[in-house]
Amino acid sequence: EDQVTQSPEALRLQEGESSSLNCSYTVSGLRGLFWYRQDPGKGPEFLFTLYSAGEEKEKERLKATLTKKESFLHITAPKPEDSATYLCAVQAAQGGSEKLVFGKGTKLTVNP
Amino acid sequence: NAGVTQTPKFRVLKTGQSMTLLCAQDMNHEYMYWYRQDPGMGLRLIHYSVGEGTTAKGEVPDGYNVSRLKKQNFLLGLESAAPSQTSVYFCASRTGGQNIQYFGAGTRLSVL
Repeated sequence: EDQVTQSPEALRLQEGESSSLNCSYTVSGLRGLFWYRQDPGKGPEFLFTLYSAGEEKEKERLKATLTKKESFLHITAPKPEDSATYLCAVQAAQGGSEKLVFGKGTKLTVNP
Repeated sequence: NAGVTQTPKFRVLKTGQSMTLLCAQDMNHEYMYWYRQDPGMGLRLIHYSVGEGTTAKGEVPDGYNVSRLKKQNFLLGLESAAPSQTSVYFCASRTGGQNIQYFGAGTRLSVL
């Protein structure tokens, strides 16, 4: 069974304090790993897709990396507006590849 | 360009009542999805559709039915609501290429 585990469940940072969120996955062949951001009362918003180990993508203060077992979302010098829940999801290469399996998310709070 | 629109935004039902949630997308996407999001559970797939006139079961389909009569609309029905169906429901859509899903703002449903 495909599984996604995110850690920590919650993270509090001071503005400018860099850190990383972790997404560990078990999947029968990885077709893609996805990061989403979700603000309170809203739907998830797409951030990144990673397809193979060693791949990295960046957007403003965020950088996503991928290994064969996990992905990291690095946040450099975060600002209060980066506060949100970050979701990780995987798409399996076999059977039901139209679907994404989501983790429970990491709630990030950045204090000014 | 509205993207993915869900109606209604909020609804309160009594046990045993029925209702239909509407999802409409104006991006000409082939694939559409219905998820539920519960505290501590993450996003779970209820049903999905790979094109007009098609539907398929997801992870938690029991108690729900869906229809995709038009490409732009995906309806989620609850025939006899139960308190266990209290949740936030999200609709998503995507093209036939990368599995980058675009989400609506959600419907908050309470079943008393």
